Amino acid sequence: SQQGEEDPQALSIQEGENATMNCSYKTSINNLQWYRQNSGRGLVHLILIRSNEREKHSGRLRVTLDTSKKSSSLLITASRAADTASYFCATVGGYQKVTFGTGTKLQVIP
Amino acid sequence: KAGVTQTPRYLIKTRGQQVTLSCSPISGHRSVSWYQQTPGQGLQFLFEYFSETQRNKGNFPGRFSGRQFSNSRSEMNVSTLELGDSALYLCASSLAPFWDYGYTFGSGTRLTVV
Repeated sequence: SQQGEEDPQALSIQEGENATMNCSYKTSINNLQWYRQNSGRGLVHLILIRSNEREKHSGRLRVTLDTSKKSSSLLITASRAADTASYFCATVGGYQKVTFGTGTKLQVIP
Repeated sequence: KAGVTQTPRYLIKTRGQQVTLSCSPISGHRSVSWYQQTPGQGLQFLFEYFSETQRNKGNFPGRFSGRQFSNSRSEMNVSTLELGDSALYLCASSLAPFWDYGYTFGSGTRLTVV
């Protein structure tokens, strides 16, 4: 079963707009990571946030983590057509097993 | 530096056959993990190897097995293939187990079972 659940499942926005996707998880974590996957390809690591961090930035990406609510959000600012992809959160939970969320499919319309 | 290399890229097999997939991690990476990705189940963890030892295993039947060699290259084997094994199989490597570092993924092997 998936520990992480992304929301929304799909998101369609215009180029230049911001995109926000959320991830909820069930058990305590060491860190949470976000990945991007272009259609049918491998995943690309975007950003890692540790359980003692609340916010992290990397370029146009901003990730927040709320361990009390067991949730994280990924914000992509000033989106581009090239950002069109599926985005997954991943956590390490009990017994150090890695679990990926269900993914958010983002479409950025030029 | 070279990324994670998975071979073959595409594979078509018949039910009942067995298949071996290969993964060469980034040089210096000692942790290799395998995932199965399907539209219905999403990304499912298969197993993780670190320094030739299986550290963790997902909830897959015994038909799925793997190993890691001394040069960190890893192979995954699926015996007695079933139609439901059709999926994208992804390999990921890391310097150390996941919770310290992110993964670098290969492009995957697309397995079709007919």
